[in-house]
Amino acid sequence: QQQVKQSPQSLIVQKGGISIINCAYENTAFDYFPWYQQFPGKGPALLIAIRPDVSEKKEGRFTISFNKSAKQFSLHIMDSQPGDSATYFCAASMNSGYSTLTFGKGTMLLVSP
Amino acid sequence: GAGVSQSPSNKVTEKGKDVELRCDPISGHTALYWYRQSLGQGLEFLIYFQGNSAPDKSGLPSDRFSAERTGGSVSTLTIQRTQQEDSAVYLCASSFRRKTGDNSPLHFGNGTRLTVT
Repeated sequence: QQQVKQSPQSLIVQKGGISIINCAYENTAFDYFPWYQQFPGKGPALLIAIRPDVSEKKEGRFTISFNKSAKQFSLHIMDSQPGDSATYFCAASMNSGYSTLTFGKGTMLLVSP
Repeated sequence: GAGVSQSPSNKVTEKGKDVELRCDPISGHTALYWYRQSLGQGLEFLIYFQGNSAPDKSGLPSDRFSAERTGGSVSTLTIQRTQQEDSAVYLCASSFRRKTGDNSPLHFGNGTRLTVT
């Protein structure tokens, strides 16, 4: 059973454009939603995270939008750059972070120059 | 500072052989995780160690998989009688404390790419 569904599987965006990656979850007990970024040959690294008490969190060009009623959250990358080309994973955990993270299947983003 | 170190970075083995994968977490991190990354399958949780507590083995796919963590530091993931479907990147991660979050994110190693021929 896939608890966190991520889409699209891959995405091509032109430099300067907006990249949008979506995730949906079923388990209403999830209360921590991070996004991890992975470059080829490297392990994933925490990019940005949100808790359900806010609807949006912004850090530089990266924004998480969270819709609790729809059980969806998304990552927006503004002014996308070739250096943003990577695989992005959404994740979720319960119990304020005391449970292990459940990851989505990942989105491979390519930002064309 | 040093990050999570995994060895070997690549491992090719024949079907039926046993393999051991090693993880050195960041010094001082009490929590250690193993994940498996297969093409198109995302990150699959395998096992979790926290301090001296019994590990959470709920993600191990079969009894051919086992892991241990000695002295609360280095961990070894062992796969016995490897099968072709075991081919994947095995990622180790550590965090400062049991509760993950912005102040205690998972720090991943670069993984061991296992190929079973």
